[in-house]
Amino acid sequence: SQQGEEDPQALSIQEGENATMNCSYKTSINNLQWYRQNSGRGLVHLILIRSNEREKHSGRLRVTLDTSKKSSSLLITASRAADTASYFCATAGYSGAGSYQLTFGKGTKLSVIP
Amino acid sequence: GAGVSQSPSNKVTEKGKDVELRCDPISGHTALYWYRQRLGQGLEFLIYFQGNSAPDKSGLPSDRFSAERTGESVSTLTIQRTQQEDSAVYLCASNRVAGVIETQYFGPGTRLLVL
Repeated sequence: SQQGEEDPQALSIQEGENATMNCSYKTSINNLQWYRQNSGRGLVHLILIRSNEREKHSGRLRVTLDTSKKSSSLLITASRAADTASYFCATAGYSGAGSYQLTFGKGTKLSVIP
Repeated sequence: GAGVSQSPSNKVTEKGKDVELRCDPISGHTALYWYRQRLGQGLEFLIYFQGNSAPDKSGLPSDRFSAERTGESVSTLTIQRTQQEDSAVYLCASNRVAGVIETQYFGPGTRLLVL
């Protein structure tokens, strides 16, 4: 079963606006990652935040993590049409079945209107 | 260096046929994962290979699904007697070391359509 749940499922904004996506999870994690997917193909890693970190920045991306609430947010500032994609959060931890796994949510579909 | 590659890019097959999907991970990556993504959904974990250890097959949905990996190189995912519900994008990913995942590198996926 999927642990991460993104919110909202879809988001449509004007170019230049900020986009905020949220992710909630259920169990303890080692780190939380955000990925981007264009057109249903391969995912690209965007940013990783460890369980002992609260905030991280990378370019126009800002990620926060609240382990007490088991939630994370991804903020994309000054959005561009090229940011249009699906964004997934993934929690990293031990599966208990012999492997370390990333557990993905269903994603937020972001549309940036020029 | 080259990224993760997968073949074929697209596969259309008839219900009941077997299909084989291939993944070439990044050279030197110990860990390799297969995921399934149904339309509009997130990724479902299927199977994990780490080096020469026994794979974690806990995500395989039925015994029609199997996968192999030769050492730390290419992996194949086989689906026998395909069903329409097998239609999905199958994604392969690798990362450098086994253990806690830092960054996972994905291939472009194989889009499977079972008619």
